[in-house]
Amino acid sequence: QVQLVESGGGVVQPGKSLRLSCATSGFTLRTYGIHWVRQAPGKGLEWVALTWDDGSNQDYADSVKGRFTISRDNSMNTLFLLMNNLRVEDTAMYYCVRDQGGYYSLYFQHWGQGTLVTVSS
Amino acid sequence: VLTQSPGILSLSPGERATLSCRASQIVSSNFLAWYQQKAGQAPRLLIRGASSRASGIPDRFSGSGSGTDFTLTISSLEPEDFAVYYCQQYGSLPLTFGPGTTVDIK
Repeated sequence: QVQLVESGGGVVQPGKSLRLSCATSGFTLRTYGIHWVRQAPGKGLEWVALTWDDGSNQDYADSVKGRFTISRDNSMNTLFLLMNNLRVEDTAMYYCVRDQGGYYSLYFQHWGQGTLVTVSS
Repeated sequence: VLTQSPGILSLSPGERATLSCRASQIVSSNFLAWYQQKAGQAPRLLIRGASSRASGIPDRFSGSGSGTDFTLTISSLEPEDFAVYYCQQYGSLPLTFGPGTTVDIK
């Protein structure tokens, strides 16, 4: 079955960097877009970034553009989110999420369990 | 921008729940999804394409609407349905979610 397992979360100081990983299994990674969606404590869901199926293009929310970089290694079935210049407001549970494939199917059947990032001095 | 109403809906088991999601612009091709989230869990897809139930979702959940106004209806609330519900548009980037509606026990 489809599985996405995030890792790499933790406590980090403002201005520092952190890299999240998402290990995938149960499907062919190169045929699906993978996203990061975050949820601040007690708050709603916020889409963060997308790496398209072949990895050639990425898209970002304005709130993270220029600071976060999403990438993938299809041969390793793994996704990454490199977060630079972290801010207190980046504190959230970060979910790795798979879409249904293609530009017209950017909804989310499959979610990881999430990894918590806390930005605090 | 997606707006959901009400913010909190207090109902009893067996009652009908009607949740609203309104978009500030037309949602392209009615690409709107609904999710359910329980405390400590990842969201669960309920509806996609405004009205198509996802795999394994009970038929007491139904979605309707088009353009800018969408509705999620739970025909008869079961105890496990008390949760937070989010709508999401996927017709254009950036993808956006509504702020959520909490359905709690009256």
